[in-house]
Amino acid sequence: EIVMTQSPATLSVSPGERATLSCRASQSVGSDLAWYQQKPGQAPRLLISGASTRATGFPARFSGSGSGTEFTLTISSLQSEDFALYYCQQYMDWPLTFGGGTRVEIK
Amino acid sequence: EVQLLESGGGLVQPGGSLRLSCVASGFTFSSYSMTWVRQTPGTGLEWVSTISGSGGTTFYADSVKGRLTISRDNSKNTVYLQFYSLRAEDTALYYCAKDRVGPIGGHDFDYWGQGTLVTVSS
Repeated sequence: EIVMTQSPATLSVSPGERATLSCRASQSVGSDLAWYQQKPGQAPRLLISGASTRATGFPARFSGSGSGTEFTLTISSLQSEDFALYYCQQYMDWPLTFGGGTRVEIK
Repeated sequence: EVQLLESGGGLVQPGGSLRLSCVASGFTFSSYSMTWVRQTPGTGLEWVSTISGSGGTTFYADSVKGRLTISRDNSKNTVYLQFYSLRAEDTALYYCAKDRVGPIGGHDFDYWGQGTLVTVSS
C-alpha cells in the first residue's frame, strides 16, 4: 500500500499570505496525485488532478506541483474562503490512498 | 448538473447488515466507475470500494474485504454498498463519488455526494 503523508497537520496563515502544503508518497506515484478541499459540513471537492491541473471553479491562486514522491499545493494569497482542510490522494495503484490532511486556519 | 444522493445510513448493532444507496443524475452513469469513500474524525478519508461502469469489476479495501459488496444498477443510475457484518470501526460518514475519467476506475473523484452516516453500536 502506498502511504501518503501530509505536512504540516495544521498551518496557521494570515489572510493575504502564501500557504505551502506538502504531500509525500511512500513510493513513486508519478503524477497520479489529486488534491481536495473540504470545508466544515461539506463533502471533499476536487481541487487539483494530475498533480498540477486545477479543477473547474478554483482560481489561479491555487497551484499544484511535484511528481514521483514529493508534491506541493500552494495558495498564493489566502482568502477567507480558503481556510479549510486539504487532502492529497494517490491513484497510481490500488488501494487508492489519502493523506491525513492539512488544516489551514486563520492566524 | 451532476448530483449524487446517498441514503441508507443509520444506527446498527455490531454484526448487523445495512445497504447504502447512491442515486446519480446529470451524467451518463454507465460511463463512469463509482466509488465509496468513508470519513471519520480520527482517520480522515478512507477509500472503501470501487465498481467499474459496467459493474463487471470491483475493488475493495482490505479492511472491508469479505464483509461487504459493491454493486450497481445502471437502469436506475444507482450504486449500492451492502454490509454483511458491521463492526464498530465501520462507523463513519460514507460518501459516494464519481470517477473523473471513465468506466475503468482507479482515478480521482470529481463529484461527491453529501454522505450518509453509519453508526455501529450496541
